[in-house]
Parts: sequence; structure tokens; C-alpha cells
Amino acid sequence: GAVVSQHPSWVICKSGTSVKIECRSLDFQATTMFWYRQFPKQSLMLMATSNEGSKATYEQGVEKDKFLINHASLTLSTLTVTSAHPEDSSFYICSARDLQEGGETQYFGPGTRLLVL
Amino acid sequence: RKEVEQDPGPFNVPEGATVAFNCTYSNSASQSFFWYRQDCRKEPKLLMSVYSSGNEDGRFTAQLNRASQYISLLIRDSKLSDSATYLCVVKSLNTDKLIFGTGTRLQVFP
Repeated sequence: GAVVSQHPSWVICKSGTSVKIECRSLDFQATTMFWYRQFPKQSLMLMATSNEGSKATYEQGVEKDKFLINHASLTLSTLTVTSAHPEDSSFYICSARDLQEGGETQYFGPGTRLLVL
Repeated sequence: RKEVEQDPGPFNVPEGATVAFNCTYSNSASQSFFWYRQDCRKEPKLLMSVYSSGNEDGRFTAQLNRASQYISLLIRDSKLSDSATYLCVVKSLNTDKLIFGTGTRLQVFP
């Protein structure tokens, strides 16, 4: 099946630094990718929809200036957490939408664990 | 009210047992339904889509009741490897978004 990779798989950083997370679709082109965040014992919450070549669409309550999304190619979307703080510590997961003749499937990346000290 | 609601569990069942999970959704415009499985500290993986007529994949059976707006997942002959969190996921027509429930945790013991 289709594979989506994320890098890095985990990161520990100091408060105030910026962290960039990459999401790649490895064997298909994805015009649309999604970024989710999951806190312990909670469900995945959609942060934003990333569209290749255009601005991302952010969910209500997600600060677009803090969570910068770039989708410059059909196989790569990046999420940058700017000036990270401890409350940003979470599990960040991307997914990529694979459009096929019979429908569509979203494939998830393995996630990135962020710990902000 | 949450868009997708699930009993968080945990459901603790012995190997070989049959276990069923239910999920309710609030948006009557929802069109696509899925069950995902998420292992601890891992990403969700698609278990199966749920169709109006109901569908089966080996030991797993999914049912959809549009009138009552609920979805079910039945697991027969539980295996230790079935231990995971099962996420109910809903998608509305003309939207890209998947809406996730909080998940139901299943623990199968020997």
C-alpha cells in the first residue's frame, strides 16, 4: 500500500525554538495533505489542510502564524512550529490523500513526537 | 456534543471472545465511515471502510445504521494481537476532513 513518511520521528527542543516536521508521500502524488495533533488519551484533532501550491486551510482555534505549513510539491508538506512552548508538546501526525478511480484513501505518516522543555 | 462519540473502554476480553464496539455521529450529512486501528504511540491505520449494506473482512464485521446514526464493529475470535485502540472515523460529503472519535481501547488477555 501507499506509504507516507515523516521526519523527524521525535524531537526534543528548548522553549522558544522552531521545529520543522516533514511529511512525504513516497509512491503517490498528494495534492492534499492533512496535519493532525494528538494529546495523550485524546483523539486526533485536525489542525489544517495543506493544499499543494496554495495556502493551507486552518481549523478554528489553530494559529496560522504559529503553525506554518508549506506544501511546495506534490509529495512534500512541512509543518513548522514556531517559538515552541511546552504546551505544544504533542504527537503530530500527517496524512496524505491518494485519489484513485474508485475513491480516495488517506494514508497516515508514523507521526512525530515533540517535547518542548 | 462531540461529532463522533465512542465509549473509551477499556474492553478487557479473553482470547477467542467476541466483542462489539459502537460509535454515534451527530452530522446527518456524513457520507463515509471508517474504522481505524491505532496501536500505542503509533499512527492510525485503516482497518475497514463501513458500507450501508454492512461488510465483513475475516473476523471483523462493520455495520452502519443511518437512521440511528451509529456504526458498529464486531470482532470475532479475538486474538492477543487485536489489542489496540479502535477509532471510529466519519467524513462528510464534499469535505476533505476526517472526524475522529476518541477511540475505544481493547485489551485481549490470554
